Amino acid sequence: EAGVAQSPRYKIIEKRQSVAFWCNPISGHATLYWYQQILGQGPKLLIQFQNNGVVDDSQLPKDRFSAERLKGVDSTLKIQPAKLEDSAVYLCASSWMVNTGELFFGEGSRLTVL
Amino acid sequence: KQEVTQIPAALSVPEGENLVLNCSFTDSAIYNLQWFRQDPGKGLTSLLLIQSSQREQTSGRLNASLDKSSGRSTLYIAASQPGDSATYLCAVRFLIQGAQKLVFGQGTRLTINP
Repeated sequence: EAGVAQSPRYKIIEKRQSVAFWCNPISGHATLYWYQQILGQGPKLLIQFQNNGVVDDSQLPKDRFSAERLKGVDSTLKIQPAKLEDSAVYLCASSWMVNTGELFFGEGSRLTVL
Repeated sequence: KQEVTQIPAALSVPEGENLVLNCSFTDSAIYNLQWFRQDPGKGLTSLLLIQSSQREQTSGRLNASLDKSSGRSTLYIAASQPGDSATYLCAVRFLIQGAQKLVFGQGTRLTINP
């Protein structure tokens, strides 16, 4: 069974530039999550989708971050414009059951903002 | 506010020892708790998922326990090996006013010395 796929693995940009990350969850998983993990900290939820609807985006900085999950499968997370403090690993996870199932994570996308 | 705490932040033990990692949480109204392993530069790998109705789960050399009344979970690793070196994170799914919220601890960085 294929795992959660993410790309790109690494990205370096200047501040005020834009960047996009892509995630393809495990086949059949209805719930998709984007997390931000700053070095030395636990992951922080940015947004949670159930199929193509948003369940929780309370911690998403909506002035610069956006995410979509068209057709309820893969998802894109965009940052525009990027700030220095956005340097982090962006992790995508999926689960089969809404809210209760085991989470499976991708390898992450490491963003460095200069 | 629902919080998850993992102490210590780092732990170093010689190979072969049995060890316990701790996770504490502030609210006993939880749905489940999941332990993850994270290798440097990698995503999170699920180790064990304990539902709120369960007291423990076992997988190979790993055993996780859950005590909701005291707000604690432990991850027991038997006969530790250098390959067990990684950061271990626990994540608690809290029940908050009919909704569910997954909160991660900061992790314990484990080093097994040959």
